Amino acid sequence: QLQLQESGSGLVKPSQTLSLNCGVSGGSISNGDYSWSWIRQPPGKGLEWIGYIYQTTNTYYNPSLIGRVTISVDMSRNQFSLKVTSVTAADTAVYFCASLVRGVVGFNNWGLGTLVTVSS
Amino acid sequence: QSALTQPASVSGSPGQSLTISCTGTTSDIGAYNFVSWYQQHPGKAPKLILYDVTNRPSGVSDRFSGSKSANTASLTISGLQAEDEADYFCSSYTSTSIYVFGTGTRVTVL
Repeated sequence: QLQLQESGSGLVKPSQTLSLNCGVSGGSISNGDYSWSWIRQPPGKGLEWIGYIYQTTNTYYNPSLIGRVTISVDMSRNQFSLKVTSVTAADTAVYFCASLVRGVVGFNNWGLGTLVTVSS
Repeated sequence: QSALTQPASVSGSPGQSLTISCTGTTSDIGAYNFVSWYQQHPGKAPKLILYDVTNRPSGVSDRFSGSKSANTASLTISGLQAEDEADYFCSSYTSTSIYVFGTGTRVTVL
C-alpha cells in the first residue's frame, strides 16, 4: 500500500516561496501507473486542487495558480515537491499530497497534511 | 474553473438515507463519468469513497452509492450511522485535463 508523507516549512513570510516535499513509500515515484498531486485546504474551508505531475515531467496546474506553482519529481529521493512563489496570507492552508493510479480517476492515497502559515 | 456547487449542510437521523448533490457544467461533470467523492472527518485527510461516479474502492461500505445526470452528480448514504458525520466533497476531472473540487457538504447525524 502506497504511503505519502508531507514535509517542509510550516511558516513562510509574505512574498517568499513555500516549499514542500512528499515522500513516497511502498512504491516507486517513477512508476508510470501513478500521477502525483497537491491539494490544499485553508482553515475551515474546502479543498482546492493545486496540480499534478505524471510520467515524471508532465504537469497540469490550477489555472488560478499558474505562474506561481511548480510541481516536480525527485527520483533519487522517491519524492515529489511543490513550490509556490510570492505567497500571501491567502496561501495559508493545510497542504496535502495525494496520488492517482491508472484506472481510478480519483485521489486514492493521501498524506496526513501539513499546515503552512504565511505570516511575517 | 469554478468550484462545483454542493449544499453547505444536510442532516438525517440514524437509519435514514440522505443525498448530496454536486452541480457542475458541461466542461466537468457533464464531460465525463469521472466524478469522485471524499469523506473527511475533522483534522483528518480526505478519504476516497467513490470514483468514476459509482465505483467504491475496496473496503468502503456499500451504504455509499453514486449517480450522475447531465451536469449533476449525487452521493447517497443509506442506513445513516453516527460515524458518517463528516464533511463530503465531490470532485471532477475536466475537459482541460485538470481537476476541480466541490464546495463541500457537512453531514450531521441527528
